[in-house]
Amino acid sequence: DQQVKQNSPSLSVQEGRISILNCDYTNSMFDYFLWYKKYPAEGPTFLISISSIKDKNEDGRFTVFLNKSAKHLSLHIVPSQPGDSAVYFCAASGHSGGSNYKLTFGKGTLLTVNP
Amino acid sequence: KAGVTQTPRYLIKTRGQQVTLSCSPISGHRSVSWYQQTPGQGLQFLFEYFSETQRNKGNFPGRFSGRQFSNSRSEMNVSTLELGDSALYLCASSWDSSREQYFGPGTRLTVT
Repeated sequence: DQQVKQNSPSLSVQEGRISILNCDYTNSMFDYFLWYKKYPAEGPTFLISISSIKDKNEDGRFTVFLNKSAKHLSLHIVPSQPGDSAVYFCAASGHSGGSNYKLTFGKGTLLTVNP
Repeated sequence: KAGVTQTPRYLIKTRGQQVTLSCSPISGHRSVSWYQQTPGQGLQFLFEYFSETQRNKGNFPGRFSGRQFSNSRSEMNVSTLELGDSALYLCASSWDSSREQYFGPGTRLTVT
């Protein structure tokens, strides 16, 4: 039972354009959402997060949008740079039941930014 | 501030053997979580420790176990290794394991 889904295994964009990575979740008890970036042979690096009390959070070129009614979040990267090429993981957590004390991850989306 | 460190970085073991992986968290972090990453499966949660107590456990067989020491360093052990245990094992530390976690570089385990 996959509670966090990233339905696009890969995404390719041109340098300077917008990258939009999507994530859906099924557990209504999730109240905190995060995005991580991972390069090969390295551990994931935290990018940006959002609490369920907000619908948008920005940090430089990265913006996360949360649509609670649709159980959907997205990460926008503007403008995209070749160094952004990596696997992006969406993660979620909650404070009840089995979602305590852990992050539940999607399977990741490989972003390729072409020069 | 030093990041999360994991040792060893690479390991090759034979089926049936056991292995112990080590993780040192960021100074001050008392929560340590472990994940298994395999191709196409994302990051699968193994377990989380806080102040030497396991607070949550993922859906892995009992061959996977862990512990945490009083200095917050953590180890995980896999006994009776199987070929399917070949994976990248990631450790992450945090103030609150339901919020931002900071990952180490991982230990690449290959079982032959």
